[in-house]
Amino acid sequence: DVVLTQTPPTLSATIGQSVSISCRSSQSLLHSNGNTYLHWLLQRPGQSPQLLIYLVSRLESGVPNRFSGSGSGTDFTLKISGVEAEDLGVYYCVQGTHAPDTFGAGTKLELK
Amino acid sequence: EVQLVESGGGLVQPGRSLKLSCAASGFTFSNYYMAWVRQAPKKGLEWVATISTSGSRTYYPDSVKGRFTISRDNAKSSLYLQMNSLKSEDTATYYCARHERFAYWGQGTLVTVSS
Repeated sequence: DVVLTQTPPTLSATIGQSVSISCRSSQSLLHSNGNTYLHWLLQRPGQSPQLLIYLVSRLESGVPNRFSGSGSGTDFTLKISGVEAEDLGVYYCVQGTHAPDTFGAGTKLELK
Repeated sequence: EVQLVESGGGLVQPGRSLKLSCAASGFTFSNYYMAWVRQAPKKGLEWVATISTSGSRTYYPDSVKGRFTISRDNAKSSLYLQMNSLKSEDTATYYCARHERFAYWGQGTLVTVSS
């Protein structure tokens, strides 16, 4: 199974600070159809996960544009340009290129 | 508006069975693969099962293969998870999700396996 390694496991930030989360895959996530099925989710405390970014860099509808995704192959990054209080929670990367789907262990974003 | 509403969780003894349901609305259910994902207390997300649009293909991780069965009723826009031979390590909140990019999730239903 594909292993997704997220770093850092915990991230402390102040409001307005820009932060990045890394997700590295044990194998390339480029599918034979040309798509890269790497997505980013946010789970706020006490809530279900929600999709932020799909196919590496596409912003899900309704998600603020301070969130952005980048990367290719095995290395991917989620960036938040100016953290807001509502961004606190646990961020997960998830891949769907290789069955079975696998999730990263999560990165907890907390206030400094 | 897309909605996924899970039900059926609760307290169950080890070795017993439980069946979870997920009622879908707001989209053409039969057009989408669906999945169950669980989250043990204070832990991360773990994929549990996926089912194809017709239900003819199902997928499981080794941790639940042979014990859990995912199914669907497209006429009722409903997804199910039959869980047999439950173990303490199956204790988790179980979410149903629309598999395509995991764009939609239910609120989750808590399953506690304990004597």
